[in-house]
Amino acid sequence: DIQMTQSPSTLSASVGDRVTITCRASQSVSSWLAWYQQKPGKAPKLLIYKASILESGVPSRFSGSGSGTEFTLTISSLQPDDFATYYCQQYDSYSFGGGTRVEIK
Amino acid sequence: EVQLVESGGGLVKPGGSLRLSCAASGFTFINTWMNWVRQAPGKGLEWVGRVKSVIDGGAIDYAAPVKGRFTISTDNSKTTLYLQMNSLTTEDSGFYYCTTDPRDTVTTWGQGTLVTVSS
Repeated sequence: DIQMTQSPSTLSASVGDRVTITCRASQSVSSWLAWYQQKPGKAPKLLIYKASILESGVPSRFSGSGSGTEFTLTISSLQPDDFATYYCQQYDSYSFGGGTRVEIK
Repeated sequence: EVQLVESGGGLVKPGGSLRLSCAASGFTFINTWMNWVRQAPGKGLEWVGRVKSVIDGGAIDYAAPVKGRFTISTDNSKTTLYLQMNSLTTEDSGFYYCTTDPRDTVTTWGQGTLVTVSS
């Protein structure tokens, strides 16, 4: 099974900050990597697929990069609506990272 | 409008069974890979299983913790995805979501249905 390790598990940041979340795979998943945002009591929302492609309707401050085993999600300028939990998912053989909670500093 | 609506959750005793349904609308169901994902209260997301589209052969794969106990099926005439869950344990409690696959152009999640396994 492919293990996905996300870091950090919690991130404290302020509005306007640049934020980077990392996801590492235990073996290559090529570019089969998605990023999701989840708010309390809601279903996850797809942000990025195929490692770097922005889902339609998602603000351009979100970006993804990487391939193989190392991936990043970057929020260029954190907005109040972005405080949430973020998950990576490899969909080569399917597994999720443990999540990163982005909280207000 | 693209929509997934889950149903069938509830309270069940350990060792019991439950069948979840996911009614799909607004997209071509037979051409879409579908997944079940679950989330225990206060915990992270866990992939449960996936069924490929009819045109891609319809193969089904499961996560190790549910293999042999859970069964994914589809009724294409009703555009509905199912998850039959047997031999349930307390570890299976949580919200269950159906979702299209990130490989597909249609991307959506249902609202989730809560399964509680407790004596």
